[in-house]
Amino acid sequence: DAKTTQPNSMESNEEEPVHLPCNHSTISGTDYIHWYRQLPSQGPEYVIHGLTSNVNNRMASLAIAEDRKSSTLILHRATLRDAAVYYCILRPSGSARQLTFGSGTQLTVLP
Amino acid sequence: DADVTQTPRNRITKTGKRIMLECSQTKGHDRMYWYRQDPGLGLRLIYYSFDVKDINKGEISDGYSVSRQAQAKFSLSLESAIPNQTALYFCATSDLQGTQETQYFGPGTRLLVL
Repeated sequence: DAKTTQPNSMESNEEEPVHLPCNHSTISGTDYIHWYRQLPSQGPEYVIHGLTSNVNNRMASLAIAEDRKSSTLILHRATLRDAAVYYCILRPSGSARQLTFGSGTQLTVLP
Repeated sequence: DADVTQTPRNRITKTGKRIMLECSQTKGHDRMYWYRQDPGLGLRLIYYSFDVKDINKGEISDGYSVSRQAQAKFSLSLESAIPNQTALYFCATSDLQGTQETQYFGPGTRLLVL
C-alpha cells in the first residue's frame, strides 16, 4: 500500500489559516485521500476525503495536487479547539480495504 | 447519547488475567473495528467485522480475540493479558458509501496490564 509522509508537528496562531501538508508520492490512481484528526483524550474523527478534485466541507478544505502526489488540509481559521493530531490516510478503492493510520501531525494552536 | 460507546473506559489488570472490552453502537452500521494506540503512535488495526459472525484479522491480532454476536456489539478479549498489551483501545464503526467509508470512533478504553 502507498505510504504518506507528514511533518511531526506544526504550530499556528489562533484565527489564522493552517495548511497541513501530506506527501504521497506512490499513490495509485484508485487511492482516496482521507483526513482524520484526534483531539486530546478522544478517538479520531473524520475530517474530509477526496480523490482528485479539491473538496470543501464545514470543517476544512482539501487541496489535491494535480499529480496527486501531495495534498494539503486547510483549516481556514484555526481555533484552540483545532489543536489535535491530524492523520493523512490513503485508502484504496474497494469495499474490503481498511484505513491505515500513520503517526500524523501534531498541530499546536497558539492564542 | 454517544453513538459509539466503550466499556470500561479505564481498566487495570494483572498479567495472565482474561479481560473483555465491550463496544456498542447505535448508528446501525454493519462494519465495526478494534484498534490499539500506543503513546506517540498512530492506530493499528486488531480485528474487524463486516457483519454479524464475520470476523477478520487486522495488522496485530495475535493475543486478541473478538466476538460479534449482534450488529450493535463487538467485543475484544485478551485471553491472557501481558504488559505489552498496555495501550489505548478504540472501537469504530463505519458507513460504507460507494467504495469509501467514514469511520466513527468511540472514546477509547485505557488498559494497563501490570
